[in-house]
Amino acid sequence: NAGVTQTPKFRVLKTGQSMTLLCAQDMNHEYMYWYRQDPGMGLRLIHYSVGEGTTAKGEVPDGYNVSRLKKQNFLLGLESAAPSQTSVYFCASRIGTGVYEQFFGPGTRLTVL
Amino acid sequence: QQQVKQSPQSLIVQKGGISIINCAYENTAFDYFPWYQQFPGKGPALLIAIRPDVSEKKEGRFTISFNKSAKQFSLHIMDSQPGDSATYFCAASTNDYKLSFGAGTTVTVRA
Repeated sequence: NAGVTQTPKFRVLKTGQSMTLLCAQDMNHEYMYWYRQDPGMGLRLIHYSVGEGTTAKGEVPDGYNVSRLKKQNFLLGLESAAPSQTSVYFCASRIGTGVYEQFFGPGTRLTVL
Repeated sequence: QQQVKQSPQSLIVQKGGISIINCAYENTAFDYFPWYQQFPGKGPALLIAIRPDVSEKKEGRFTISFNKSAKQFSLHIMDSQPGDSATYFCAASTNDYKLSFGAGTTVTVRA
């Protein structure tokens, strides 16, 4: 099992450009999450999904959109990138109700110039 | 503002020493308190976790101490090894399963 994978690993964007980050998991997990990690701030939840076809806002959702068309994939989109979105983005998944543990992917380092 | 406050920001310990990281929270609805370990260039991985009905949990050299009345919990790394050098995050969750993370502590173990 590959666990949670993220593509791409690195990306540099110019202000105003758009992009999509892909998260995939092969563990048949129901729940998926997108976080951003910034120095001194830990990880902050952007959006999450409680199952295929569902999405919900987290703590810092502004400027991002998500989609979960297939159970194994969770996409994070930036429609018009801003320098404030320079960060490391992590995807995580969780099996379902009653189990708290989240499994994290390796991250995507995004720089917006 | 962060719901979980973590300290110190960084610490250096000699090989064989004890590393202690502290976290405090305000939300009494939190019912799950994990610690995640992150190596450079990697994603966080669950290290150890505790529920509020116990005051201590030990797994190998790692121990969580939990003080419900003080709303504090801590991670103790005994006999610290160079391989323990990493960033450690405390977190907390209510029964909605959404994690609130502390700011992180970078631990450096000197050989």
